[in-house]
Amino acid sequence: AQSVTQLGSHVSVSEGALVLLRCNYSSSVPPYLFWYVQYPNQGLQLLLKYTSAATLVKGINGFEAEFKKSETSFHLTKPSAHMSDAAEYFCAVRVIFGNEKLTFGTGTRLTIIP
Amino acid sequence: NAGVMQNPRHLVRRRGQEARLRCSPMKGHSHVYWYRQLPEEGLKFMVYLQKENIIDESGMPKERFSAEFPKEGPSILRIQQVVRGDSAAYFCASSSGTGRPSTNYGYTFGSGTRLTVV
Repeated sequence: AQSVTQLGSHVSVSEGALVLLRCNYSSSVPPYLFWYVQYPNQGLQLLLKYTSAATLVKGINGFEAEFKKSETSFHLTKPSAHMSDAAEYFCAVRVIFGNEKLTFGTGTRLTIIP
Repeated sequence: NAGVMQNPRHLVRRRGQEARLRCSPMKGHSHVYWYRQLPEEGLKFMVYLQKENIIDESGMPKERFSAEFPKEGPSILRIQQVVRGDSAAYFCASSSGTGRPSTNYGYTFGSGTRLTVV
């Protein structure tokens, strides 16, 4: 079975500052990892994904994440926060083969301070 | 090229009524996943369906909940005799479902149905 832990249910950063959202995973088999963003009263939008190719993954809106197997982490970063980045962010994991079922973390709500 | 369509967007039901949530997958997709998001929580997997088959229902509550994906038409998530604890956002996702690494990852989610039980 696989699981995801997101450290920090709420994160606040100043506009222009570095964004760092933490995600650690547990999986008995090689995983695929994802970050999704959810704006209020909307569905989930895929930000980026790790699929066992490059360990540094670039996504939309200037976000990127690095897969670190030794640390079982997949932290999401953005060099400079923008007001439009305020949203809820979810990390998710699935196994490489078989069922495409995703296991989600509990989410991190990102607030941007003007 | 419409994405995953869910309707209704908002649904209000009184306790004891039935709720029917519909999901039309993306064109060409034959695999559908349902997730539930309770307030202040992440998404929890409920059920995975292919056309006319339930593949994995390990996340479905044992009673009152059922899902189908008929040969024609949308996938339906049905909740009988709703209770206040069923109030949540229900999301559907679809994929082409081949499962191989070279194909789909991070399938597309619909905008969800927000169920409120009063």
